[in-house]
Amino acid sequence: DQQVKQNSPSLSVQEGRISILNCDYTNSMFDYFLWYKKYPAEGPTFLISISSIKDKNEDGRFTVFLNKSAKHLSLHIVPSQPGDSAVYFCAASDSNSGYALNFGKGTSLLVTP
Amino acid sequence: DTGVSQDPRHKITKRGQNVTFRCDPISEHNRLYWYRQTLGQGPEFLTYFQNEAQLEKSRLLSDRFSAERPKGSFSTLEIQRTEQGDSAMYLCASSLAGGYSGNTIYFGEGSWLTVV
Repeated sequence: DQQVKQNSPSLSVQEGRISILNCDYTNSMFDYFLWYKKYPAEGPTFLISISSIKDKNEDGRFTVFLNKSAKHLSLHIVPSQPGDSAVYFCAASDSNSGYALNFGKGTSLLVTP
Repeated sequence: DTGVSQDPRHKITKRGQNVTFRCDPISEHNRLYWYRQTLGQGPEFLTYFQNEAQLEKSRLLSDRFSAERPKGSFSTLEIQRTEQGDSAMYLCASSLAGGYSGNTIYFGEGSWLTVV
């Protein structure tokens, strides 16, 4: 069962504009959420995280928003750059029942010049 | 380079052969994880160690798979009698213990396995 869902397989954005990547989850016990970026043939690289006690976390051009009531989080990238083109994975964990991360299937972001 | 290191990066093997992957975590991290990723999917959890103790195993980890972390430092993942369905990228990751930051895990570059 897919507990973390990224319903958009791909997204194309112009350079300089905002990229918004969405993620939904079903397990209300998840209390920590992360975004990873992945280039082909490489491992995922940690981008940004948020705990369930917050609704927003910002790091430079990257901001993650968490809406617990809707079980939804989003990653905003402003401004988008061509080097941001990669696959972005949303992940979630329940820190009270183990340490496995549950990943979505990813969204492929293409930032065009 | 102080990141998570995996070896080999690529392995092609014939069906039925055994393969072993090695992972060296970030030095101060006491938690180590193995994940598997196939095309079009996100990483899937296989197993987790805290120091040398294997504390969690996914149902994906069949009896042909064995993972060890003998001294709480590097880890090995062995696949016996490989099958074509084992073809995937095997990802190792590590993290610090404690609090939410312990759930931020850092991945290596992965080991690609192709079973022919």
